Amino acid sequence: NAGVTQTPKFQVLKTGQSMTLQCAQDMNHEYMSWYRQDPGMGLRLIHYSVGAGITDQGEVPNGYNVSRSTTEDFPLRLLSAAPSQTSVYFCASSGSRQGFSYNEQFFGPGTRLTVL
Amino acid sequence: DQQVKQNSPSLSVQEGRISILNCDYTNSMFDYFLWYKKYPAEGPTFLISISSIKDKNEDGRFTVFLNKSAKHLSLHIVPSQPGDSAVYFCAAEDTDKLIFGTGTRLQVFP
Repeated sequence: NAGVTQTPKFQVLKTGQSMTLQCAQDMNHEYMSWYRQDPGMGLRLIHYSVGAGITDQGEVPNGYNVSRSTTEDFPLRLLSAAPSQTSVYFCASSGSRQGFSYNEQFFGPGTRLTVL
Repeated sequence: DQQVKQNSPSLSVQEGRISILNCDYTNSMFDYFLWYKKYPAEGPTFLISISSIKDKNEDGRFTVFLNKSAKHLSLHIVPSQPGDSAVYFCAAEDTDKLIFGTGTRLQVFP
C-alpha cells in the first residue's frame, strides 16, 4: 500500500495561473479531505468528500475547487492563483464518514506551493 | 474565531523530563479529541485520542487528559525523548470534520 500520495511535492506559480494538486489513496477510503497549513494558523480544512460524487466546503474554500469522480482520487484545483494561496497543502483520507473515533485519518506528505 | 486553541507555540524540554502540551476548545458539543504529530516535510500522523466520556487515555509514554468543565485537554509525554521533537496538533471532531489547533513545536534537548 502506498497510502496517500500527493503530486507535485513542490510548485511555483505566477499570480493568475491555474493548476491542479493531485491526491490519490489506495486504501479504498470513502472520506478524503484537503487542508492547508500556514505559520501560526495550524491546519485549516479547505474541502472534503464523504464519498465519490459528494463534496462539501470546509473552513477556507474560496479560490479552490474539488471533484470526486472516483473513490481513489480527490484533486484540488486553483483556478487563478493568488499570493495568499502560498502554503503547504495536505490531502488526507479515512475509512468512512462514521467518525474519526472509528477511522484513523491518514495524511499525505504535502505539496509546498509558492505563488509569486 | 478559533474553536481549538493551542496557546503555546513552542516548548523546550530536557530529555527524560515530562512534556506537557495544552489545548483549549470553545464548543462544548465536541465529543472526540485527537492529537497528531508532525515532523518537517512529512504529513501529520495520528498519535492518541480521547472520547468526551473519559477523562484520561494512556498509550505507552503518551497520556491525554480531558477536563470537560474547563474545556481543556493536555498531552503528557513521559519520559521525553529527542525523537519526540516535532510539532503537535490537537484536533476536535465536528460532524464530518476535524478542527485543528495552531500547533505547538516541541523540542527535546539532551
